[in-house]
Amino acid sequence: DQQVKQNSPSLSVQEGRISILNCDYTNSMFDYFLWYKKYPAEGPTFLISISSIKDKNEDGRFTVFLNKSAKHLSLHIVPSQPGDSAVYFCAASTSGSRLTFGEGTQLTVNP
Amino acid sequence: DAEITQSPRHKITETGRQVTLACHQTWNHNNMFWYRQDLGHGLRLIHYSYGVQDTNKGEVSDGYSVSRSNTEDLPLTLESAASSQTSVYFCASSRDRVGTQYFGPGTRLLVL
Repeated sequence: DQQVKQNSPSLSVQEGRISILNCDYTNSMFDYFLWYKKYPAEGPTFLISISSIKDKNEDGRFTVFLNKSAKHLSLHIVPSQPGDSAVYFCAASTSGSRLTFGEGTQLTVNP
Repeated sequence: DAEITQSPRHKITETGRQVTLACHQTWNHNNMFWYRQDLGHGLRLIHYSYGVQDTNKGEVSDGYSVSRSNTEDLPLTLESAASSQTSVYFCASSRDRVGTQYFGPGTRLLVL
């Protein structure tokens, strides 16, 4: 039972445009959500997080939106840069539990 | 600087052999985790530990074991390696039980 799903295995955008990565979850008890970025041959690195008491969190070019009623979160990258090309994982947890990760989305930003 | 390291970075072994992957962190984090990454599955939790002498099974723990004798290390052992255990393995640690985890660089394991 995949509780966190990233339905798009890949996404390609032009440099300077917006990248939107999506993530859906099924467990209504999830109350904390994170996005990680992973470059080839490296471990995932934390990017941004959001608590379920918020619907938006922004950090520079990265914004995460949470729609609890739809059980959906998204990561917006504006403007996209070639260095943003990586695999992006969303993850979710309930208080006191471990992280559950999605399958990942490969983002390619073309110059 | 504090960090988390994994060794070896690459390993080739044969089916049936015992293999141990090392994970060492210098953040003094109580919480440590082992994941495997496979195409189409993302990161799946194998085992985790909330402190010395504490170990817990994750969602894909069959065929794996861990032990936690100190704060810094959480070695992952494959008791009898199987081809299905060919994967990339990541170790992570965190200060809090829930929240940001910091990952090591990964170990690529090939079981022939």
